[in-house]
Amino acid sequence: AQSVTQLDSQVPVFEEAPVELRCNYSSSVSVYLFWYVQYPNQGLQLLLKYLSGSTLVKGINGFEAEFNKSQTSFHLRKPSVHISDTAEYFCAVSPRNSGNTPLVFGKGTRLSVIA
Amino acid sequence: EPEVTQTPSHQVTQMGQEVILRCVPISNHLYFYWYRQILGQKVEFLVSFYNNEISEKSEIFDDQFSVERPDGSNFTLKIRSTKLEDSAMYFCASSERLAVNTGELFFGEGSRLTVL
Repeated sequence: AQSVTQLDSQVPVFEEAPVELRCNYSSSVSVYLFWYVQYPNQGLQLLLKYLSGSTLVKGINGFEAEFNKSQTSFHLRKPSVHISDTAEYFCAVSPRNSGNTPLVFGKGTRLSVIA
Repeated sequence: EPEVTQTPSHQVTQMGQEVILRCVPISNHLYFYWYRQILGQKVEFLVSFYNNEISEKSEIFDDQFSVERPDGSNFTLKIRSTKLEDSAMYFCASSERLAVNTGELFFGEGSRLTVL
């Protein structure tokens, strides 16, 4: 079974400052890794994903994440945040080659960008 | 851009009442899902549905829950007799068949259920 831990439930940050949202996972098999974002009053949408290859993946809106297998982490970063980045961010994992096994999500991290 | 739509956005019900949450997945998608998030907790998988039958379900998805695709466009979640602990945000999601193993799900905005 897989599990995901998002260590921070809320992260306040000033506009134009860098941010890192932490995600650690646990799995006995290889996984795919994802970050989803939920803007206010909207559904979850895919921000970026790691399937294979380069461990640094880039997503929409200037976000990137780095897969670290030894630390079982997939932290999300952005060098300079905007007010519009205020949202809930969810880390998720899915076991590789598992048919229709569903995504396992973390609790989410609420990013609040302060002007 | 195609999107998953959910109704109602918010429903308040009395304990013991039946509730039906509705979803219209993206039209060419073949896999459908329900997830829920109790306030302050993780987004939890409830059930997945393919080819008119449940393909996987979690231990949360007990006999009080059922899903149906009644008319080829809607995908519904029914809770037969609601309990206080069913209060949560319920998310519907869909995916194309080839995206199943890569986890790219397309989510609706959610239906908030409040059980009094």
